[in-house]
Amino acid sequence: LAKTTQPISMDSYEGQEVNITCSHNNIATNDYITWYQQFPSQGPRFIIQGYKTKVTNEVASLFIPADRKSSTLSLPRVSLSDTAVYYCLVGDVGRDDKIIFGKGTRLHILP
Amino acid sequence: SAVISQKPSRDICQRGTSLTIQCQVDSQVTMMFWYRQQPGQSLTLIATANQGSEATYESGFVIDKFPISRPNLTFSTLTVSNMSPEDSSIYLCSGTGTGNEKLFFGSGTQLSVL
Repeated sequence: LAKTTQPISMDSYEGQEVNITCSHNNIATNDYITWYQQFPSQGPRFIIQGYKTKVTNEVASLFIPADRKSSTLSLPRVSLSDTAVYYCLVGDVGRDDKIIFGKGTRLHILP
Repeated sequence: SAVISQKPSRDICQRGTSLTIQCQVDSQVTMMFWYRQQPGQSLTLIATANQGSEATYESGFVIDKFPISRPNLTFSTLTVSNMSPEDSSIYLCSGTGTGNEKLFFGSGTQLSVL
C-alpha cells in the first residue's frame, strides 16, 4: 500500500478555489488515487478517483502529473459547507485489498 | 451507488457489557470493512468482514474482543465485547466492489461506555 502525505489543515475563504495536494511517492503501476470527504458525525463520502492526467466531475477536479507521485484535489469556489476533512487514498482498484486511511486534511472555510 | 444502513446510530453502554452493531447494504458488495474513529482522528481499520468465513483482523484487534459476522453479501455485524471506556468511539461500516473502488459508508455508530 502506497503511503500518502497531506497537509494536516488548510484555511480558505468562501468563493476561493482550494487545492489540496497529496504526496504518494511509492505509488504502484496499478494504483488509482481516490479522494474522500468527511463531515462531522458522518462517514466519509467518495469525491473523485483518477489514474493519470485530469479528472473532473460535478464536485471537484483531480490533477495527476505524469510521474503520479502526487495528486491535487481542486475544489472550485468553495462555500462554508465545504468545511470537512479530505482524505487521499492510493490503491489497486482491481484487487481485493483492505483500504487504509491516512490522517487527512482538515479544510476550514471562512466567511 | 450502494446505500449502507447502520444501527444503532448511537448507544450508551455500561462497562463489561457487549453491543452488536448491524450493517445492511442495499446491494451486493464484494468487500465489507469495519472501522473505528476516535474524535478528531482518522479512521482505523478494525477488520475485513469475509462472507461465510472468519474476518481478517488488523494488528491490535482480535476476534474475542470484536467478533464479526458476514452471513451474506449484504449484511454484517460487529460486536464490541466486554466494553470499557476506552472502547468509546465511532464505529463505521463500509462496503465496496473490489478493493479500492468507490467505498460507501454507513452513518456510523457513536458508542459511549460508562
